[in-house]
Amino acid sequence: GQQLNQSPQSMFIQEGEDVSMNCTSSSIFNTWLWYKQDPGEGPVLLIALYKAGELTSNGRLTAQFGITRKDSFLNISASIPSDVGIYFCAGHWNAGNMLTFGGGTRLMVKP
Amino acid sequence: EPEVTQTPSHQVTQMGQEVILRCVPISNHLYFYWYRQILGQKVEFLVSFYNNEISEKSEIFDDQFSVERPDGSNFTLKIRSTKLEDSAMYFCATPRLGASEAFFGQGTRLTVV
Repeated sequence: GQQLNQSPQSMFIQEGEDVSMNCTSSSIFNTWLWYKQDPGEGPVLLIALYKAGELTSNGRLTAQFGITRKDSFLNISASIPSDVGIYFCAGHWNAGNMLTFGGGTRLMVKP
Repeated sequence: EPEVTQTPSHQVTQMGQEVILRCVPISNHLYFYWYRQILGQKVEFLVSFYNNEISEKSEIFDDQFSVERPDGSNFTLKIRSTKLEDSAMYFCATPRLGASEAFFGQGTRLTVV
């Protein structure tokens, strides 16, 4: 099956710092989604990207759909303690509806 | 408000037993998905269900698994004979009406002992 490589696997940053994480694939994806998951909860959708080159913001979060359609990044500006969690990229790589998920980036924020 | 509610939130079962996980949408949905997340790992697709039929399934979704919508509302995932390696969080997901991206329920934690 398709694989999404997400990096970094974990980050430990100071409150107020900016954060960047990305996902890459060997195949073209049609949609990129970014989710956040808190312990014991389901993934919560943060940002959805539908077109190559698209740059979308949601508050302090900004994500981009790479021009090649094989990558995406998520930036978080001015991190706060409640940003702690695991961030997953996910995408549709064919006409079907199944989502392929990346391995996740665990974000830890030191107050 | 979540698009779907999952029950139970946690189920412990003996190996070899059957389990049924339930997903209740808050409004009319045609598309449903089940995903699985083994502790500490990524979310994995199991099956998609459209208009009362399976539309896609992964290699994880073998003969031990089945899905149905018994009463036109609840959407269930059945595991016929659970194995230890079936222990995981199971998430139901559905697109919000008018959208294509999937919104996830809170999940059911299945523990097979």
